[in-house]
Amino acid sequence: GENVEQHPSTLSVQEGDSAVIKCTYSDSASNYFPWYKQELGKRPQLIIDIRSNVGEKKDQRIAVTLNKTAKHFSLHITETQPEDSAVYFCAASRNEKLTFGTGTRLTIIP
Amino acid sequence: EPEVTQTPSHQVTQMGQEVILRCVPISNHLYFYWYRQILGQKVEFLVSFYNNEISEKSEIFDDQFSVERPDGSNFTLKIRSTKLEDSAMYFCASKIQETQYFGPGTRLLVL
Repeated sequence: GENVEQHPSTLSVQEGDSAVIKCTYSDSASNYFPWYKQELGKRPQLIIDIRSNVGEKKDQRIAVTLNKTAKHFSLHITETQPEDSAVYFCAASRNEKLTFGTGTRLTIIP
Repeated sequence: EPEVTQTPSHQVTQMGQEVILRCVPISNHLYFYWYRQILGQKVEFLVSFYNNEISEKSEIFDDQFSVERPDGSNFTLKIRSTKLEDSAMYFCASKIQETQYFGPGTRLLVL
């Protein structure tokens, strides 16, 4: 089955700097890659997603890139703000289930 | 904006007891899911449900687990005889195309 690796497990950045989180996946048939933000005790919330026919997608301060050949995808957050502090999960999907990465705890230092 | 809802928010039960976790998916969604998240760990897939039947399940979803859509709005997860290791946050999710929307979760504690 699909296996998703995520790095780093924790990340601290100064407010205003950029943060990058990277994921790799194993199943070349996976075709949908969402990123979820989870605040403490809350539900995972979709922040951006990308499909396998697209290499990059941007939404304001958030961007995702996908390299199908290397089977990796990354989340980029620019101009980070304190409210960006949370756990971020990448996921990969072929048809039905989402297979999640192990999460990255992002802390924005004011 | 419509959201997935779940009840109860917290459930404490004794080992060996049955629990039923309830979910109301977003009304026009067709695919339904249960995931669980053990404290401090990643979200894990349990089961997917479409057209009134299970479409995929993980190895976690053994004979102690079952799902049901008893009416047009609710989607339930039943654990027949809970074990200590079933303690986790259980999330319901629903989708209509590719994006899965998660409910707020039920925190289950088995004593």
